Amino acid sequence: DAGVIQSPRHEVTEMGQEVTLRCKPISGHNSLFWYRQTMMRGLELLIYFNNNVPIDDSGMPEDRFSAKMPNASFSTLKIQPSEPRDSAVYFCASSLSGAYNSPLHFGNGTRLTVT
Amino acid sequence: EDQVTQSPEALRLQEGESSSLNCSYTVSGLRGLFWYRQDPGKGPEFLFTLYSAGEEKEKERLKATLTKKESFLHITAPKPEDSATYLCAVQGRGGSYIPTFGRGTSLIVHP
Repeated sequence: DAGVIQSPRHEVTEMGQEVTLRCKPISGHNSLFWYRQTMMRGLELLIYFNNNVPIDDSGMPEDRFSAKMPNASFSTLKIQPSEPRDSAVYFCASSLSGAYNSPLHFGNGTRLTVT
Repeated sequence: EDQVTQSPEALRLQEGESSSLNCSYTVSGLRGLFWYRQDPGKGPEFLFTLYSAGEEKEKERLKATLTKKESFLHITAPKPEDSATYLCAVQGRGGSYIPTFGRGTSLIVHP
């Protein structure tokens, strides 16, 4: 299995631009998580999907952030407009829900820099 | 609300110098405690799941143990390739599958 695949690996954009991050979860996993990691705050959960449905989006910072999961094999996280404080590494992770104790499998992240 | 505190924040060891990392947690009924390893530029990689107090798991030079309030990741005779950030996460019985992560311990092993 190729694992969780994220793209792009690096994104540099100017303040005010739209940014779209992409994720392909592990086949057969039905839970998907978007996290943001910074030195100051560590790993922060942004949103959690189960069976393609958003279950918990309480971590989404504000209306500038949106996430979709149109099918079981694809998810996007969009930031519009982007701001310098959004600079961070964004991780996507998937797991097999319905089974507590199922560990999360992370992608290698997208490093976002907003100038 | 579930909480996880890891200590120390950073640890420097000489190759072969054994030590332990701590993960203290509060959770309303533990379903599982997870240890992950994160290398620079990569996502966290799953190491262990512990379910109940007294449980231990081993993998090469790593051994994870669990009590009702904390978990330890013991590193025996570490090598430079063990250098990484080690993350701890807990999953409670509150009805959510969402694990709560600690801030991690950054380990550097010098040759």
